Order: sequence, then structure tokens, then C-alpha cells
Amino acid sequence: DIQMTQSPSSVSASVGDRVTITCRASQGLSSWLAWYQQKPGKPPKLLIYAASSLQSGVPSRFSGSGSGTDFTLTISSLQPEDFATYYCQQANSFPLTFGGGTKVEIK
Amino acid sequence: EVQLLESGGGLVQPGGSLRLSCAASGFTFSSYAMSWVRQAPGKGLEWVSTIRGNGGNTYYADSVKGRFTISRDNSKNTLDLQMNSLRAEDTAVYYCAKSKEWLRLWDYWGQGTLVTVSS
Repeated sequence: DIQMTQSPSSVSASVGDRVTITCRASQGLSSWLAWYQQKPGKPPKLLIYAASSLQSGVPSRFSGSGSGTDFTLTISSLQPEDFATYYCQQANSFPLTFGGGTKVEIK
Repeated sequence: EVQLLESGGGLVQPGGSLRLSCAASGFTFSSYAMSWVRQAPGKGLEWVSTIRGNGGNTYYADSVKGRFTISRDNSKNTLDLQMNSLRAEDTAVYYCAKSKEWLRLWDYWGQGTLVTVSS
């Protein structure tokens, strides 16, 4: 199984800050990686697929990069509605696996 | 508008069974793989199972293999998860999710249904 390791597990940031979350896979994924945002009591929301493709309707301040085993989600200028937990997910092969999550908190 | 509505959750004793359902609308159901993803209270996301659009191929996490069965009825636009031999560690919110195109990831999710396994 492919293990996904996210870091940091939590980050405190202010509105307007640039935030970067990393995800490392135990095996190469090519570009088969997705990022989701989840707010309390809500289902996850797809932000990025294929490592760097922005899902329709997602603000352009979100971006993804990377390939192989190392990936990054960047929020260029944090907005109040961005405080949430973010998960990476490998979409390369079954069993599909998620990272442990990164909670973005208000500083 | 894509809508996914889960039902069937509840409280069940260890060793018991439960059947979850997901009613889908707003897209051509038979064209897309569908999945169940769960989230234990206060924990992260865990993929449970996926079924291809034609129902011909199914996939399971090791943690549920042999106990859970995913199925779909393309004539009724419904997705099911039959859960047997339930354990305390199966306690979670179970989400129904639609695959994005042919990819192994999800662009639409239901609101989830809570399954609690406890005596």
C-alpha cells in the first residue's frame, strides 16, 4: 500500500499569509494526487487533482505542484474561509490512501 | 445539480449488520465509478470501497474486505454498502462519493451518514 505523509499536522497563520502544505508518498505517483479541504461537520471538497489542476469553482489562490513522491499545496493569500483541514490523497492505485491531514488554524 | 444523499446509518451492536444507501441525481449515474469513504470521530479520511460504473469491478480496503459488500443499481441510481460483522472500529461517518471522470478521486460527496457500533 502507498503511505501518504503530510506535514505539518497543523499550522497557525494569519489572513493574508502564504501557507504551504507538503505531502510525501511512499512510492511514485506520477501526478496522480488530489487535495481536499474539509470544514467541521462537512464533507471534503476537491481543490486540486492531477497534482496541479484546479477544480472548477476553486479560487486561484489555491495551487498544487509536484510529481513522483513529493507534492505541495499552496494558499497564496489565506482568507478567513480557508481555515479548515486539508488532506492529500493518492489516486495512483488501489487501495486509495489519504494523508493524515493538516489543520490550518487562525493565529 | 449533482446530489448524493446517504441513508441507513444508526446504532448497531458489535457483530451486527447494517446496509447503507446513497441516492444519486443530477448526472448519468452509470457512467461513473462510485465510492464509500469514512471518517471516524475526530480522525482523518479512510477510503472504504469503490465500484465501477457498470458494476463489474469492485475494490475494498483490507480493513473491510470480506465483511463489506458494495453494489449499485443503475436503473434506480442507487449505491449500497452492506456491512456485516461490524466492529467498534467501524464507527464513523460514511460518505458516498462520485468519481471525477475516470479518475480515482472524487468531485462530489454526500453529507454523510453516521454509523455507531457499540453495545
